Amino acid sequence: QVQLVESGGGVVQPGSSLRLSCAASGFTFSYYAMYWVRQTPGKGLEWMAVISYDVGYYKKYRDSLKGRFTISRDNSKNMVYLQMNSLRVEDTAVYYCARDRATGTYPHAFDLWGQGTLVTVSS
Amino acid sequence: EVVLTQSPATLSLSPGERATLSCKASQSVSIYLAWYQQKPGQAPRLLIYETSIRATGIPPRFIGSGSETDFTLTISSLEPEDFAVYFCQQRHDWPLTFGPGTKVDLK
Repeated sequence: QVQLVESGGGVVQPGSSLRLSCAASGFTFSYYAMYWVRQTPGKGLEWMAVISYDVGYYKKYRDSLKGRFTISRDNSKNMVYLQMNSLRVEDTAVYYCARDRATGTYPHAFDLWGQGTLVTVSS
Repeated sequence: EVVLTQSPATLSLSPGERATLSCKASQSVSIYLAWYQQKPGQAPRLLIYETSIRATGIPPRFIGSGSETDFTLTISSLEPEDFAVYFCQQRHDWPLTFGPGTKVDLK
């Protein structure tokens, strides 16, 4: 079954760290660039980060993250991660991992999404 | 950053009616625009990419059109399962951006 399953969300205090995980199955994970996208009622859907499919793992981030978040992947485990540091109240959101529609080059549209994991940053 | 504006914010229609949703970009995105459908408690689902190409399994009643800065998603005849929120998204420039969404609800 082709799917993405996120985990690792929860309630944390401002300034804390959290690592989100996304497990991929049912497709050749190493062929696809992967993304993290978050959604809030106020700001809607926001692209956060992308990591390329290949060795070397080119990464790109939304500027506003200012180095607080790091995307990574382990092709041997079919996993993609989002390490989130110095969390702020405004990082409260549902975080989705998503797959690029096409193999190889990117970006394209996102054709496969996980169910999302909720991160709540609150004191 | 490319800002996407969607209108209307809400569209109230009945099953069988035609829905016309608009997405306008603050600068040209060529044809690199996608549409997603999202239902409550679910992740977005890709409907259309590159302006007019239906994703796998998407029925032909979903029709995308436009170019440059003006795009339209038409649902030719609404089915009960089409009542949802629809987002547009551009891949022409970084950062990738989404529109705020149009909610299609039952009249």
